Amino acid sequence: KQEVTQIPAALSVPEGENLVLNCSFTDSAIYNLQWFRQDPGKGLTSLLLIQSSQREQTSGRLNASLDKSSGRSTLYIAASQPGDSATYLCAVCQAGTALIFGKGTTLSVSS
Amino acid sequence: NAGVTQTPKFQVLKTGQSMTLQCAQDMNHEYMSWYRQDPGMGLRLIHYSVGAGITDQGEVPNGYNVSRSTTEDFPLRLLSAAPSQTSVYFCASSYMNMGTYGYTFGSGTRLTVV
Repeated sequence: KQEVTQIPAALSVPEGENLVLNCSFTDSAIYNLQWFRQDPGKGLTSLLLIQSSQREQTSGRLNASLDKSSGRSTLYIAASQPGDSATYLCAVCQAGTALIFGKGTTLSVSS
Repeated sequence: NAGVTQTPKFQVLKTGQSMTLQCAQDMNHEYMSWYRQDPGMGLRLIHYSVGAGITDQGEVPNGYNVSRSTTEDFPLRLLSAAPSQTSVYFCASSYMNMGTYGYTFGSGTRLTVV
């Protein structure tokens, strides 16, 4: 059974710092891995999707990498801002199933 | 293009009442699914559908029914609400080639059962 783990569960950083969020999964047979952002009381916003054949994806200050063989993905946020404060969710997509989520990393960026 | 629309946004039910959570998408996605999100538990799959007339159970299906009569709509029915069903419910959709396209989520329905 696929399990997705996100470390750390919570993270507090000062504005301007570069940071890395980690996601690991136990079964490497995935279609893709998707990173989402969730603001308190809100829905999920897709940030980046990495297909199984890709190694990384970039969008603005965000960069996500994927290493299928080791079952790991990282989300790199450059020059963090208070507006980046949210919960970040990692999810993997496998054949015949829906998305399997980690429990998220709650990020707080202080000004 | 509205994406995935969920209604209502908030609902309070009494134990034993029934209700339907609505989900509609306008992207012609074949795949639709329902999740619940609980503190400390993350998002868990309730039911999913790979197309009109086809549904299947996810990780936590008990107490919920679904049907998919059209590509656009995927309602979730609570037959007899219980306090354990207090949660935030999210509907999501995707093309079947989900490896390429990923998922789109609705804004959620916050349900409280008293």
